[in-house]
Amino acid sequence: DAGVTQSPTHLIKTRGQHVTLRCSPISGHKSVSWYQQVLGQGPQFIFQYYEKEERGRGNFPDRFSARQFPNYSSELNVNALLLGDSALYLCASSVLDAGEFFGPGTRLTVL
Amino acid sequence: EDQVTQSPEALRLQEGESSSLNCSYTVSGLRGLFWYRQDPGKGPEFLFTLYSAGEEKEKERLKATLTKKESFLHITAPKPEDSATYLCAVQAGYGQNFVFGPGTRLSVLP
Repeated sequence: DAGVTQSPTHLIKTRGQHVTLRCSPISGHKSVSWYQQVLGQGPQFIFQYYEKEERGRGNFPDRFSARQFPNYSSELNVNALLLGDSALYLCASSVLDAGEFFGPGTRLTVL
Repeated sequence: EDQVTQSPEALRLQEGESSSLNCSYTVSGLRGLFWYRQDPGKGPEFLFTLYSAGEEKEKERLKATLTKKESFLHITAPKPEDSATYLCAVQAGYGQNFVFGPGTRLSVLP
């Protein structure tokens, strides 16, 4: 079975631009979460979606938004990029409230 | 506010030298504690879930234990391939998000 997939793998943007990151969960998993991980730190929770509804939101500004599609894949959008948004963005899927399975991440660099 | 701390920040072991990593947590009510392994540049890999104090889980050279305030990840006779960052996370209740600690960076030297 395929694991969680994310695209793109790497992305370079400039300040003020917008970015869309994509995630496909493990087949049968209806919960998708997004995390931001800065080098040397643990993942920080951004959003969780379950059955296309937002189930939780972390302490991130409104420039961050997400959605989940009928096939349970998900997008994370970040507007007006700042240098501080440079990080590894991780998507995780799970059977609700069980251990999460992570994708390889998208490395975003903002110049 | 739910908080997770991990110690030590970094640990260097010789191959075969057993040790333990610590995860301390403060949550309003623990539903589950999760251990992950993360290799550089990759997403975390799920290892264990612990639900109640006294519970233990084992996988190969790893054993995770849980008390009311902390969890330990015991590594027995580690090998160089066990080198990674080990993360723990807690979930305070059903529907609550997972809160991760900063991780312990483990290096096992041959």
